[in-house]
Amino acid sequence: GQQLNQSPQSMFIQEGEDVSMNCTSSSIFNTWLWYKQDPGEGPVLLIALYKAGELTSNGRLTAQFGITRKDSFLNISASIPSDVGIYFCAGQPPSFGNEKLTFGTGTRLTIIP
Amino acid sequence: DTEVTQTPKHLVMGMTNKKSLKCEQHMGHRAMYWYKQKAKKPPELMFVYSYEKLSINESVPSRFSPECPNSSLLNLHLHALQPEDSALYLCASSPRPGTYYEQYFGPGTRLTVT
Repeated sequence: GQQLNQSPQSMFIQEGEDVSMNCTSSSIFNTWLWYKQDPGEGPVLLIALYKAGELTSNGRLTAQFGITRKDSFLNISASIPSDVGIYFCAGQPPSFGNEKLTFGTGTRLTIIP
Repeated sequence: DTEVTQTPKHLVMGMTNKKSLKCEQHMGHRAMYWYKQKAKKPPELMFVYSYEKLSINESVPSRFSPECPNSSLLNLHLHALQPEDSALYLCASSPRPGTYYEQYFGPGTRLTVT
């Protein structure tokens, strides 16, 4: 099946630092979604992107849908302790039914005291 | 309100038990999903219901049986599970199949099979 490469796998940062992570694919996607998941909880939708080149913000979070439709990035500015968790990208490829998402492998964010 | 609720939060069952997981949403969404998630892995799709009809079954073993009684409810019936079925089971919903793609997840049910 189609794979989404998400990087980095893990990040160790200090509070206040900016964070950047990305997802890449060998195929195009119609939609990119970014989720955050806390331990033992369900993923929470952060940002949804629907058009190539689209740049969308949600508070300190900014995400972009790559022009080639094969990648997306998520930036977090001025990180705070509650940003800790696992971030997943997810894409909807044109070859599947609209209901099916492909998930990235996740980026684990840890804040060092 | 983008809330999907799931019950129970935790479930421990033996391999001969029969149990059910329940999911509910009141957002008027017409697509609902079951996912299975193992530790440190992304969610894996199991089933999709579109307009209360099963539209996708990702070759899930028959010991998992989904049911969609109405547009707000989704159940997952469990029977004769194996220890390797222990995982976090997530329910999700999305507004309209074929037009909107964002999926909203519930908090999950942590299932342990002994």
